[in-house]
Amino acid sequence: QKEVEQNSGPLSVPEGAIASLNCTYSDRGSQSFFWYRQYSGKSPELIMFIYSNGDKEDGRFTAQLNKASQYVSLLIRDSQPSDSATYLCAVKTAGNDMRFGAGTRLTVKP
Amino acid sequence: GAVVSQHPSWVICKSGTSVKIECRSLDFQATTMFWYRQFPKQSLMLMATSNEGSKATYEQGVEKDKFLINHASLTLSTLTVTSAHPEDSSFYICSASSPGTGNTEAFFGQGTRLTVV
Repeated sequence: QKEVEQNSGPLSVPEGAIASLNCTYSDRGSQSFFWYRQYSGKSPELIMFIYSNGDKEDGRFTAQLNKASQYVSLLIRDSQPSDSATYLCAVKTAGNDMRFGAGTRLTVKP
Repeated sequence: GAVVSQHPSWVICKSGTSVKIECRSLDFQATTMFWYRQFPKQSLMLMATSNEGSKATYEQGVEKDKFLINHASLTLSTLTVTSAHPEDSSFYICSASSPGTGNTEAFFGQGTRLTVV
């Protein structure tokens, strides 16, 4: 079992729709969870982090965390073509290193 | 946010030569730095964790004698790819974290695209 799992996609949504990205993790001791966006050929950039169960909203982005289910998600409202990228779920493990999922490629069609 | 600078951003080298990549934290002290490799259309794969003043911890399957990591100061870690081969061509990215930055996120360098010919 991979430590962090994501659907590789591609996920395609029309402009203005909600994009939903999902991630599960295996290390139950993990405490910190991150969503990064990576454009092709570039380094990842942090979108959001979440530490507590529940929802955390920042503009068009909402991160959701359920530690009991070992599940974290990212919702993007009013999706824009500029949101088209690969989204990486990252988990800081109990061993304090960062593990990444394979990433979900999102395409927002105008 | 905190800044991590990686140099060079791209490098082309001949097979059999060695290449050094630098990763610097510019405005914070990075007690831990991570080195990743990313092949086209694949995710980031952790190669090793570098702790200042001690030996790096390598992930399974990563040759420590081929990928030399040095973290001699709190602001600099280097990755040296020794005797590079075409299959080492990849995108190498470092990241750094420190409790002193106020949170536990990782700050990434801009990456180094290595091409071995």
